[in-house]
Amino acid sequence: GAGVSQSPSNKVTEKGKDVELRCDPISGHTALYWYRQSLGQGLEFLIYFQGNSAPDKSGLPSDRFSAERTGGSVSTLTIQRTQQEDSAVYLCASSLFSQGYTFGSGTRLTVV
Amino acid sequence: AQSVTQLDSHVSVSEGTPVLLRCNYSSSYSPSLFWYVQHPNKGLQLLLKYTSAATLVKGINGFEAEFKKSETSFHLTKPSAHMSDAAEYFCVVSDMNRDDKIIFGKGTRLHILP
Repeated sequence: GAGVSQSPSNKVTEKGKDVELRCDPISGHTALYWYRQSLGQGLEFLIYFQGNSAPDKSGLPSDRFSAERTGGSVSTLTIQRTQQEDSAVYLCASSLFSQGYTFGSGTRLTVV
Repeated sequence: AQSVTQLDSHVSVSEGTPVLLRCNYSSSYSPSLFWYVQHPNKGLQLLLKYTSAATLVKGINGFEAEFKKSETSFHLTKPSAHMSDAAEYFCVVSDMNRDDKIIFGKGTRLHILP
């Protein structure tokens, strides 16, 4: 598609439930990133996929967080047993060499 | 390892006066540098990027930034602020040739005073 698409745009969930956030990158982009932005905070790196290489998971805050990227395209970020501190905007970005990064509009997650 | 430091968390300028948002970086390689803007309740938008071509980079909305290797800086400037420039600005460093993960600064919130 023309841009990075994220769904849902908004998600309200109860504490303890699992959620899945989806990212459709720009077709052909080899790199995909997940970030989150909490209220009043900067952007926090979560995970990075590059082609067929093993993902860089160094930013995942706990083992409740996981992500996968199927077929080198769509990515899903899963948060298990959500907690209130997981409330944030989750941003996905994709890139191809030398062409800069394109961000999706994000998923606003609210844990109640 | 790469890092980026935005020296001011908040900057306030009067409408019509110059804007300066400071960014210093650290990189083991020849870096690529970007500035992004995020308006309230909006997504991130690329303002400009430096990728080892001209050191003075012009972006959208009258913004520009100069890459200074000797000072490891990439400050964002605009000659005359407009009310619509009020937003949060992020400086980003990466090594595009390796498509390494991108590192964001903590952001600078720009306030425009009438």
